[in-house]
Amino acid sequence: AQSVTQLDSHVSVSEGTPVLLRCNYSSSYSPSLFWYVQHPNKGLQLLLKYTSAATLVKGINGFEAEFKKSETSFHLTKPSAHMSDAAEYFCVVSENSGGGADGLTFGKGTHLIIQP
Amino acid sequence: NAGVTQTPKFQVLKTGQSMTLQCAQDMNHNSMYWYRQDPGMGLRLIYYSASEGTTDKGEVPNGYNVSRLNKREFSLRLESAAPSQTSVYFCASREYWMPQHFGDGTRLSIL
Repeated sequence: AQSVTQLDSHVSVSEGTPVLLRCNYSSSYSPSLFWYVQHPNKGLQLLLKYTSAATLVKGINGFEAEFKKSETSFHLTKPSAHMSDAAEYFCVVSENSGGGADGLTFGKGTHLIIQP
Repeated sequence: NAGVTQTPKFQVLKTGQSMTLQCAQDMNHNSMYWYRQDPGMGLRLIYYSASEGTTDKGEVPNGYNVSRLNKREFSLRLESAAPSQTSVYFCASREYWMPQHFGDGTRLSIL
């Protein structure tokens, strides 16, 4: 069975400082991994995806994530936070082998707060 | 390119009333999903449809029914609404193992 753990429910950083949102996963197969962002009162927007190509993945708005199989992690980073980054972030694993719920598992989310 | 369209965007119901939430996608995706989002609980899967003609229960199916009308449309029905079903509902679609595309949500309040 697969699972996703977002290690922090809330992260607070100052504008202009680095952002790190942590995600660990478990999977019996070679997974795909995604990060989504949700701004207040909006739907989920795909930030980036890992699908077994390059382990360092670049996404929109300056975000990137590194797939580390040995650590079963897929942490999301950004060098310099902007006020517009304040949102909820979700890590998702797709097991690519079918199974329950079509192989998708969502993390509980991390709320990113940007201090001026 | 509309992507995933949900209607309505907002709705207020009284306890016991029925309602259908509509979802349509124009990306020719096989799989479609319904989630509910509640504060502190992330996204929880209600039902999904891996392909036209099939539907399966997710984590929280009680009190809901779904219909995969055709490849484009996947509706969610509340037969007798309860205050516990007050939530934000999201529809999503995807093709095979690619990321999902989400609609903008339906904000439902049940009094």
